[in-house]
Amino acid sequence: DVKVTQSSRYLVKRTGEKVFLECVQDMDHENMFWYRQDPGLGLRLIYFSYDVKMKEKGDIPEGYSVSREKKERFSLILESASTNQTSMYLCASSPGFLRGVVAGAIGELFFGEGSRLTVL
Amino acid sequence: GQQLNQSPQSMFIQEGEDVSMNCTSSSIFNTWLWYKQDPGEGPVLLIALYKAGELTSNGRLTAQFGITRKDSFLNISASIPSDVGIYFCAGPRNAGGTSYGKLTFGQGTILTVHP
Repeated sequence: DVKVTQSSRYLVKRTGEKVFLECVQDMDHENMFWYRQDPGLGLRLIYFSYDVKMKEKGDIPEGYSVSREKKERFSLILESASTNQTSMYLCASSPGFLRGVVAGAIGELFFGEGSRLTVL
Repeated sequence: GQQLNQSPQSMFIQEGEDVSMNCTSSSIFNTWLWYKQDPGEGPVLLIALYKAGELTSNGRLTAQFGITRKDSFLNISASIPSDVGIYFCAGPRNAGGTSYGKLTFGQGTILTVHP
């Protein structure tokens, strides 16, 4: 089974603190994603990475940065946490396009359990 | 940009009832995906649709890819308490391909099932 593991299920931080959210996948997937989930807004893409050291901004990258030094690990960084970053953060991975076509699973993302961040 | 509008936003039903929800877009999608998020978990793929007009079933779930390629429907028959959760529709970012798997998600439909 594919497993995407997020380092913390619940975090409470103070405004201005630096926050690291870690995500590890064990399926050798090329693509990794960070989404933010808020009620009524669905899932919004923050950043994604299609290869080691490669990253691309999603829809709401402001206030966030990412790091992908190894294929299996994708980190989300909040340089200076703010209260409006209180949310559920979901990490996901997927195979690259060609592997997805071969597997007949285009578009399938494998999600972690989520990290609920509260910024006070 | 591409947006997906899901309705209804929430549903409260009795166990045994059938459920219908839909997803619409102003843009064409070549793939429609339906995910379910159980409470306290990440979303999991339920059904994927790759062809306009396609009707696909997965147990009590049935999903359809609209002919216009701008909508999709998910039906759940004979609901049970474990159907509780949030259901999301999703589609690839660019109409022509998977764009490295980037997906646009709908706002979600929250389903509550009363025993």
